[in-house]
Amino acid sequence: GENVEQHPSTLSVQEGDSAVIKCTYSDSASNYFPWYKQELGKRPQLIIDIRSNVGEKKDQRIAVTLNKTAKHFSLHITETQPEDSAVYFCAASRRAGFGNEKLTFGTGTRLTIIP
Amino acid sequence: KAGVTQTPRYLIKTRGQQVTLSCSPISGHRSVSWYQQTPGQGLQFLFEYFSETQRNKGNFPGRFSGRQFSNSRSEMNVSTLELGDSALYLCASSWGTSGTFIETQYFGPGTRLLVL
Repeated sequence: GENVEQHPSTLSVQEGDSAVIKCTYSDSASNYFPWYKQELGKRPQLIIDIRSNVGEKKDQRIAVTLNKTAKHFSLHITETQPEDSAVYFCAASRRAGFGNEKLTFGTGTRLTIIP
Repeated sequence: KAGVTQTPRYLIKTRGQQVTLSCSPISGHRSVSWYQQTPGQGLQFLFEYFSETQRNKGNFPGRFSGRQFSNSRSEMNVSTLELGDSALYLCASSWGTSGTFIETQYFGPGTRLLVL
């Protein structure tokens, strides 16, 4: 089955600097890659996702890049702010016929923004 | 539009008991997936339901089961609880329609289960 590895497990960044989190996946058929942000005691919230038919997607300060050949994708947060402090999870999935709504998650990155 | 809701939010049970958790998806969503979140194992897929049918199942023992009703609401049941079942149980809903890519999943707040 799919295996998703996520690095680093913890990341501390000075406010205003950029943060990058990287994930690799094993299943070459995976074609959907979401990123979730989970604040302490709260539900995972989708912040951005990318499908395999594009190589990059951006939404304000957040961007995701996908390298299908190398089977890795990355989350980039620019101009970090204290409210960006949270645990970030990457995930991967493929559609094997109709259905199979299953996400395989990375182990998470605890991002701390230092004021 | 209301988000995914889960009840109860917190539960304390003892070993050997059973528990039922409930999830109400976003209106119009027909797919409900369940995940277990623990500090040691992270987020792990339990199963997914669409139109009252289980379409996909993760690597969990048979003590974990679920079902989905005609209104897309879903329940999961854990029988003969073990200490290791203590976790945050999250459900996520999506449209679940056919296509090349799976649909975006939106998570509920979770049910925190503590087994003593």
